[in-house]
Amino acid sequence: GDSVTQMEGPVTLSEEAFLTINCTYTATGYPSLFWYVQYPGEGLQLLLKATKADDKGSNKGFEATYRKETTSFHLEKGSVQVSDSAVYFCALIDSGGGADGLTFGKGTHLIIQP
Amino acid sequence: DTAVSQTPKYLVTQMGNDKSIKCEQNLGHDTMYWYKQDSKKFLKIMFSYNNKELIINETVPNRFSPKSPDKAHLNLHINSLELGDSAVYFCASSQASDTQYFGPGTRLTVL
Repeated sequence: GDSVTQMEGPVTLSEEAFLTINCTYTATGYPSLFWYVQYPGEGLQLLLKATKADDKGSNKGFEATYRKETTSFHLEKGSVQVSDSAVYFCALIDSGGGADGLTFGKGTHLIIQP
Repeated sequence: DTAVSQTPKYLVTQMGNDKSIKCEQNLGHDTMYWYKQDSKKFLKIMFSYNNKELIINETVPNRFSPKSPDKAHLNLHINSLELGDSAVYFCASSQASDTQYFGPGTRLTVL
C-alpha cells in the first residue's frame, strides 16, 4: 500500500535559519503530493501541493519539488520565523482517485526559537 | 464563512455512550471524509463518501458510522464509546480527488 515517511522531530531551529523537512513516499500509482500544516489547537491547513513530477509547490516562503526519481517531496524555507512553529504533515493521494483519502506521514513538530 | 465546519469542538463523555459529530461544508464539493488523529498526532482516513459511494477503512470498528443527510453534510455517529476512541476527529471535503480542505477538528474524550 501507499506510505509516507518523514522526519518526526521535534526539529528546533533559531529564527532566520534554513529549514528542510524530508519526506519520501511509496505509491502504487502516480500520486499528488501535499504539505499540510497544523498550528497549535487548530485544524490542518494546506500549505502547498504538486501534482506531477518536477512540479514545485510554493506558499508563504515554503517550497517543495516533486522528485519522482527519488520519490521525495522535501519541504524547504530559506528563513524561518517564530510564527512557523507548528506540526507539518507530508501527504499523498494516489492517482487512482480520492476515495481512499490522503495517506499522511507521522508529522514533524517544528519549534522556532527567537 | 467557514468552508468546513464541525460541531462540537470538544466532546467529553462516558464509556458506553452514543455520540455524534456534525460536519458541514459550503464549498460545493462532492466528496467528504472523516479522519482520526491519535495522541501521537498520526492521521488516518476512516471514511470517504460521495453521493455514489461509501468507502470504509477496514480498520474502523462498525461502531462508527457516517451518515449524510445531503451533499453538504457528513455526520459521524459512534456507538458504545470506548476509551480508545479518544482522539481528535477531522472532517474534510474535496471536489473529486482534488485538494482536501479540513475542518477545525473535534476533540473527543471518553472517560
